[in-house]
Amino acid sequence: DAGITQSPRHKVTETGTPVTLRCHQTENHRYMYWYRQDPGHGLRLIHYSYGVKDTDKGEVSDGYSVSRSKTEDFLLTLESATSSQTSVYFCAISGGRQAYNSPLHFGNGTRLTVT
Amino acid sequence: SQELEQSPQSLIVQEGKNLTINCTSSKTLYGLYWYKQKYGEGLIFLMMLQKGGEEKSHEKITAKLDEKKQQSSLHITASQPSHAGIYLCGADPISNTGKLIFGQGTTLQVKP
Repeated sequence: DAGITQSPRHKVTETGTPVTLRCHQTENHRYMYWYRQDPGHGLRLIHYSYGVKDTDKGEVSDGYSVSRSKTEDFLLTLESATSSQTSVYFCAISGGRQAYNSPLHFGNGTRLTVT
Repeated sequence: SQELEQSPQSLIVQEGKNLTINCTSSKTLYGLYWYKQKYGEGLIFLMMLQKGGEEKSHEKITAKLDEKKQQSSLHITASQPSHAGIYLCGADPISNTGKLIFGQGTTLQVKP
């Protein structure tokens, strides 16, 4: 298994509070991604990173921000959590020289519930 | 925006039977990836296809990408209970981005 650790694995939080999810990798891979998985929508890309301090938005980035200050860590922050952000969040990494010809390897996910 | 359509959405087969899952796009795909997911867990990478007409096999699972690179199939031969789970196809809709889009998934149950 690729060395990807997501924390926490489960979290319950209240509407309006900030939440930070962490993805830690031990593979020294360049590319990191945050996806959310929801019934009826499948997996959708939130943000991705192509290097330290280099990030860009994905399909569903509103309400989320990311930071990558070290190769191994990619943080996802929900600035003010809403019930629509209740979801399972997956981090993925890719180690190819180019992003497009290497598979993504996924962490085990964080189940977030916003009440 | 481009979408990936998977069919069927769910499948129940008897152990030992063969099955096929399809993944279709309206546009050319730059890289097609198959993943398996068990409930409550992450996605496990199975295979990657990049060239039109490409076919890859691993154990009892074979994946193919058509010549136009718009349709892929995943075929399982002699299914076993260990094959049960959710199968997802993912694809790079725009060359050189690595930002995958995914199908909705196909849930497979294998009855002993």
